[in-house]
Amino acid sequence: SQTIHQWPATLVQPVGSPLSLECTVEGTSNPNLYWYRQAAGRGLQLLFYSVGIGQISSEVPQNLSASRPQDRQFILSSKKLLLSDSGFYLCAWSVLNNEQFFGPGTRLTVL
Amino acid sequence: KQEVTQIPAALSVPEGENLVLNCSFTDSAIYNLQWFRQDPGKGLTSLLLIQSSQREQTSGRLNASLDKSSGRSTLYIAASQPGDSATYLCAVGQAGTALIFGKGTTLSVSS
Repeated sequence: SQTIHQWPATLVQPVGSPLSLECTVEGTSNPNLYWYRQAAGRGLQLLFYSVGIGQISSEVPQNLSASRPQDRQFILSSKKLLLSDSGFYLCAWSVLNNEQFFGPGTRLTVL
Repeated sequence: KQEVTQIPAALSVPEGENLVLNCSFTDSAIYNLQWFRQDPGKGLTSLLLIQSSQREQTSGRLNASLDKSSGRSTLYIAASQPGDSATYLCAVGQAGTALIFGKGTTLSVSS
């Protein structure tokens, strides 16, 4: 069966510090991978999606970036965090009929 | 641009009631529609996926319907239980893009 992992589960970072969140998927090959952010009162916002290694599409211009160094690994990064980057970050995967499955999320607080 | 709306934003019912959650979308050219459940501080759990060619899907006490022409979907929960308390999210998929989410309906079932 397929599983998706995210780490860390929670993170508290100062403004201006770097960020690296990791997502890995097991039990499937060539998945589409997604990064979403959920902020209070704003719903789920798609940040990046990837259909293959090295292929990243950005939905929202911001100080975040994403990379896919391996087929089942998706990384969200920032060189300098802003207060507005606080939120709940969710990774998801899909194949075939596009049903999406989500990871447990990372709660990021920028102080 | 696709917009997804969920009404009501919050709902409180006594245990045992049957209830309906509503989802509407502005562009009927969808690939599929997915209902999710989210518990506080957790990731999303996929409940039901309806392909654009389908009218409904059922899983246990849950039944989701889809009317593409009117841009509506409903999630019916039979015989509600306190364990059903959560936020329910509706999301539509369009070819070549990731899911577009509504802001959710927060359900509280009292014993």
